[in-house]
Amino acid sequence: DTAVSQTPKYLVTQMGNDKSIKCEQNLGHDTMYWYKQDSKKFLKIMFSYNNKELIINETVPNRFSPKSPDKAHLNLHINSLELGDSAVYFCASSHLQTGFHEQYFGPGTRLTVT
Amino acid sequence: AQSVTQLGSHVSVSEGALVLLRCNYSSSVPPYLFWYVQYPNQGLQLLLKYTTGATLVKGINGFEAEFKKSETSFHLTKPSAHMSDAAEYFCAVSRGAGNNRKLIWGLGTSLAVNP
Repeated sequence: DTAVSQTPKYLVTQMGNDKSIKCEQNLGHDTMYWYKQDSKKFLKIMFSYNNKELIINETVPNRFSPKSPDKAHLNLHINSLELGDSAVYFCASSHLQTGFHEQYFGPGTRLTVT
Repeated sequence: AQSVTQLGSHVSVSEGALVLLRCNYSSSVPPYLFWYVQYPNQGLQLLLKYTTGATLVKGINGFEAEFKKSETSFHLTKPSAHMSDAAEYFCAVSRGAGNNRKLIWGLGTSLAVNP
């Protein structure tokens, strides 16, 4: 009965590769997010989707491409991985219409680029 | 524009002592304020929130926070620290309206609890 799940939990890959991270939520929320947390724990929003539509697209290299096949899923594809992409990536979801903006986070995917 | 400042990137307390984690915000409109906790190797979890109404809000695990408009603060407290409280704590303020709402995060405070 996991609320927000991500796969994989760990991802080790070499520079230049392409990889994807998947996220699913079973909370019935209408909005999903991708965050990047660096080694200093700084949390930065990358993307946000509301009802499958991209609504927030922060300054992120276009090597990062999110895709939302439906309201319950938000995937992140990363092309041509670089060392600086090493971080923990969190998926989150919320129900935007409540107005309270409470976000529920997945367990994170620790990406290591070598 | 809204922003969040957490004073003290590291706080260390003894077990049983008072926990005080500081958060100040700047906002041109009445803010929605949040505290999240991140336990080691886990995702973030909502501790408590302030939207409207009572300025003293209670959260999970015995934490509470008080919204003080005059001080633009939303400090997090717990009367007696437990070893299990050791974690990273993030203060956040909601920014934007409609579909453009997002959370603006502080840099986090790492809480260590000593036996």
